[in-house]
Amino acid sequence: KAGVTQTPRYLIKTRGQQVTLSCSPISGHRSVSWYQQTPGQGLQFLFEYFSETQRNKGNFPGRFSGRQFSNSRSEMNVSTLELGDSALYLCASSFKLAGGNEQFFGPGTRLTVL
Amino acid sequence: DQQVKQNSPSLSVQEGRISILNCDYTNSMFDYFLWYKKYPAEGPTFLISISSIKDKNEDGRFTVFLNKSAKHLSLHIVPSQPGDSAVYFCAASEAGNNRKLIWGLGTSLAVNP
Repeated sequence: KAGVTQTPRYLIKTRGQQVTLSCSPISGHRSVSWYQQTPGQGLQFLFEYFSETQRNKGNFPGRFSGRQFSNSRSEMNVSTLELGDSALYLCASSFKLAGGNEQFFGPGTRLTVL
Repeated sequence: DQQVKQNSPSLSVQEGRISILNCDYTNSMFDYFLWYKKYPAEGPTFLISISSIKDKNEDGRFTVFLNKSAKHLSLHIVPSQPGDSAVYFCAASEAGNNRKLIWGLGTSLAVNP
């Protein structure tokens, strides 16, 4: 079956703009998690959605938000972009909640903020 | 406060030898642990997991050991191969708290031919 897909793969924005990233999980998976990866910072957890409800949240400002639709597809939004938001944004899906189940990651969206 | 710590940012081993990647945690309520591997420009891939009711789990060349009293787990790769060169992440969760997954910062493994 198809893996996790993320769109777009690359994105260039300027400071102050907003951006929406999309993630389509593996068919049948109900959990979608979002991560930010920057050099030297490892994987920083943003949030996890399960059956359209946010179940877990990381320590990111309110500029970062997300949602999940009834078909389990998820979107992540970042408003008022800052230079420090430049990163690889990874989406991962799992059948159950991420902490008790293997997650499958997408290829990521590379966001560059100028 | 880093609840899951991978204190070695990098590790270099010779092909054919054993690679040992370590992970320490502070939360005694963690009951499930996972290892992921990540190549550059790709998303992480699941490698192996272990429940706190076990102290060892083996899958081919990969074995994870869990020492609950020391709050320590390790991933052993035997024998190491050049294709194992990647960043390895340790992650943990507890039964409550919506099973929030806590990640370490990763260890970069280089296996030299």
